[in-house]
Amino acid sequence: GDSVTQMEGPVTLSEEACLTINCTYTATGYPSLFWYVQYPGEGLQLLLKATKADDKGSNKGFEATYRKETTSFHLEKGSVQVSDSAVYFCALSSFSGGYNKLIFGAGTRLAVHP
Amino acid sequence: DTEVTQTPKHLVMGMTNKKSLKCEQHMGHRAMYWYKQKAKKPPELMFVYSYEKLSINESVPSRFSPECPNSSLLNLHLHALQPEDSALYLCASSQALRGDASYEQYFGPGTRLTVT
Repeated sequence: GDSVTQMEGPVTLSEEACLTINCTYTATGYPSLFWYVQYPGEGLQLLLKATKADDKGSNKGFEATYRKETTSFHLEKGSVQVSDSAVYFCALSSFSGGYNKLIFGAGTRLAVHP
Repeated sequence: DTEVTQTPKHLVMGMTNKKSLKCEQHMGHRAMYWYKQKAKKPPELMFVYSYEKLSINESVPSRFSPECPNSSLLNLHLHALQPEDSALYLCASSQALRGDASYEQYFGPGTRLTVT
């Protein structure tokens, strides 16, 4: 079945460092790909999405490119801030079993220190 | 407005209590979801309503009973819960359940449930 694999955390960075969180997926068909962020004590917020190969999603300085050839959707940011500390979930949506199902990776915790 | 609201924010209940969680969205979305999230885990799908009809039940125990009174509201009725049911309960909505897989789901802030 469809699945998402994320790099294990926690990822600990100093402020202004570069961030990459790896995400790879397995899917039949043509999934859409998403990054969600969960700040402490809150629900999930959609960070960015890409719906077809070579699409780049971007938001708040984060970006990710849908790479069909490597089945990847890595999250990147050039300079992280303390306020970026959160858990990041990679997810795919595919039409499976008669409906659009959202499948999450395990999540990667990011801690940014001043 | 892309807001999904949930009440209450926190809930503590005994194993013999009956309580309800509420969720509301005004985006005109026709699919609404309940998820359960344990600490340090991704959300797990529980139920999905499509056009106010229950479409998916992921083998959830009957002590959880969903209800969709109208297209904007979603309830989760709780009865005789167990301590292991303590978790963050998230509501989400999306434009539709079927068709375009690019429809994103919008999540509420969740209800933190503790069963004593």
